[in-house]
Amino acid sequence: EIVLTQSPDTLSLSPGERATLSCRASQTVRSYLAWYQQKPGQAPRLLIYDASNRATGIPARFSGSGSGTDFTLTISSLEPEDFAVYYCQQRSSWPALTFGGGTKVEIK
Amino acid sequence: QVQLVESGGGVVQPGGSLRLSCAASGFTFSRYPMHWVRQAPGKGPEWVTVISYDGNDKHNADSVKGRFTISRDNSKNTLYLQMNSLRAEDTAVYYCARDRNIAAAVYYFDSWGQGTLVTVSS
Repeated sequence: EIVLTQSPDTLSLSPGERATLSCRASQTVRSYLAWYQQKPGQAPRLLIYDASNRATGIPARFSGSGSGTDFTLTISSLEPEDFAVYYCQQRSSWPALTFGGGTKVEIK
Repeated sequence: QVQLVESGGGVVQPGGSLRLSCAASGFTFSRYPMHWVRQAPGKGPEWVTVISYDGNDKHNADSVKGRFTISRDNSKNTLYLQMNSLRAEDTAVYYCARDRNIAAAVYYFDSWGQGTLVTVSS
């Protein structure tokens, strides 16, 4: 099973600041990685797929990069609605796909 | 717009069974692979199972193999999950989710329901 390790566990930032979230895979997932945002009491929302492609309707302040085992989700300037938990997910080893443990972005 | 509405969750004893449903609307259900994804309290999501657009191909996570069965009725725009031999570790919110791709699954989930809670406890 491919293990995805996200860091940090929690990121404390202010609105307007830049957020950089990391996801590391235990073995290569090529570019088959997605990022999701989840707010309390809601389902996850797809932000990025195939490492760097924004999903439909996702603002340009969200960007993804990386390949192989190291990936980054960047939020260029945090809006109040961006404070949430973010998960990465790989599909390289489908159907044994896996999610990371999540990074919480909280208001400082 | 895309809407997925799950139902059928509840409290069940260990070893028991439950059937979840997911009613789809706002898109051509019969063209998309569909998934069930679950999330235990305070944990990250866990993919459970997938079914092809026509129902002819299915795959399960190892954690539910031999116990859970996914199915679909394209005439009713409805997805199902039959869960047997339930265990405490199956306790979670269960989401139905649409695959991002038409026809062939790519295992990214671009639309989710609101989820239904399954609690396995004596």
